[in-house]
Amino acid sequence: GESVGLHLPTLSVQEGDNSIINCAYSNSASDYFIWYKQESGKGPQFIIDIRSNMDKRQGQRVTVLLNKTVKHLSLQIAATQPGDSAVYFCAEKAPWSGATNKLIFGTGTLLAVQP
Amino acid sequence: NAGVTQTPKFQVLKTGQSMTLQCAQDMNHNSMYWYRQDPGMGLRLIYYSASEGTTDKGEVPNGYNVSRLNKREFSLRLESAAPSQTSVYFCASSAGGAGNEKLFFGSGTQLSVL
Repeated sequence: GESVGLHLPTLSVQEGDNSIINCAYSNSASDYFIWYKQESGKGPQFIIDIRSNMDKRQGQRVTVLLNKTVKHLSLQIAATQPGDSAVYFCAEKAPWSGATNKLIFGTGTLLAVQP
Repeated sequence: NAGVTQTPKFQVLKTGQSMTLQCAQDMNHNSMYWYRQDPGMGLRLIYYSASEGTTDKGEVPNGYNVSRLNKREFSLRLESAAPSQTSVYFCASSAGGAGNEKLFFGSGTQLSVL
């Protein structure tokens, strides 16, 4: 899974399987979290977000789970497709950033979907 | 609707040269940001502008300057480029304020400093 650090973990899954990408965040006071997808040569693209007053949020084929007790965030992708192959970043809103909304990004996880 | 537009997409500089990266957004967003992305690392904030007329340092501001030219445009300047500034640079914008944390990113500028 992903954490703040220097390595880029890789998750390899078969097409059609479900994917789970994990992220450990650092600030217990953070109240907003977001997942981005970055394809090669492109900028990060918003996937889904969640606030700390929720444990789970669902989108189209994606679900984000938040466990505040252990400061853990996960992104679940259902029926993974080749087009899902990308680097996935989690980010937390810096609790001291107030209205400036500064995001602290993790190092990313490379999702490789095998046909 | 173009979103966030960055120019140039690629640039090669020699050590000591200067250049300005341009960024414009057409979403009427208040806040704009410059990030750099290095291999195996997440995005690191260089500078941001919470609103027109204000700029503040982020995590890695040394060697950079910014200008919030107007609400749409936020430029990043390297006065004397160094090899350590070889990176991919992303501009982003957000509506700003409470409840508007989502950032929208441009497609990036790949900069090499030789």
